[in-house]
Amino acid sequence: DAGVIQSPRHEVTEMGQEVTLRCKPISGHDYLFWYRQTMMRGLELLIYFNNNVPIDDSGMPEDRFSAKMPNASFSTLKIQPSEPRDSAVYFCASSPSSRSRETQYFGPGTRLLVL
Amino acid sequence: QKEVEQNSGPLSVPEGAIASLNCTYSDRGSQSFFWYRQYSGKSPELIMSIYSNGDKEDGRFTAQLNKASQYVSLLIRDSQPSDSATYLCAGGDSWGKLQFGAGTQVVVTP
Repeated sequence: DAGVIQSPRHEVTEMGQEVTLRCKPISGHDYLFWYRQTMMRGLELLIYFNNNVPIDDSGMPEDRFSAKMPNASFSTLKIQPSEPRDSAVYFCASSPSSRSRETQYFGPGTRLLVL
Repeated sequence: QKEVEQNSGPLSVPEGAIASLNCTYSDRGSQSFFWYRQYSGKSPELIMSIYSNGDKEDGRFTAQLNKASQYVSLLIRDSQPSDSATYLCAGGDSWGKLQFGAGTQVVVTP
C-alpha cells in the first residue's frame, strides 16, 4: 500500500492568496483527519471525516479554513485568504473503521509558508 | 488548556541505557493511548498502543498505563542513536479522536 499521500509537499504563497492542500487516504480506511503542527501549539486536530462526512470541525481555526471530502479517496483543505500565521505543517491521517479507528496513519505532510 | 501533558525535554540518554518518557492526561473519557515517534522533518509514526492498565511490551519498547493515576509511560530499552526523535503521547476517545501532547525530545548520545 502506498500509504497516505499528500500534495503539495511544500507550498510558499503570499498573504491573501488561496491555498489548497490535498490528501489521498489509505484505501479502505473510513476515517480521515486533518492536523496542523507548529512549534508553539504542537499537533492540533482541525477536522475529521467518517465515510466522507465531516464529524467534528471544532478545531478549524476560523471561517478562512474549509475542508471537503467528495469521495472516499480524496480530501482537500482550503485556506482563503491565507495569512502568515497559517504557516505550519499540515498533516493528513487516515484510520480503518471500528476497533482500530484510533490507529491513525499519517501522510508526509505539507509544509506551508505564507509570506 | 492542554489535556495531555509531557515534558518537552530534551531527554539525553546514553547509548544502551533505558529512556523513560512520561505522560499525564486529564480527560477521564480517554479510552486508548498511543505513542508516536516523529523524526525531525517527518510525520508521526505509531510505535505503541495500549488500551488497558498494566504493561505492554513490543521489542525494545514497553508502554505502561495507569488509568487511576491518569498516567502513561514509555520505556525504550537498549537505546540506540536511531531512537533520537520526538515522542508524542496521545489519548483517544470512543470516536477515534486523538489528543496529542506536545512531545518529548529524546537524544541518544554514543
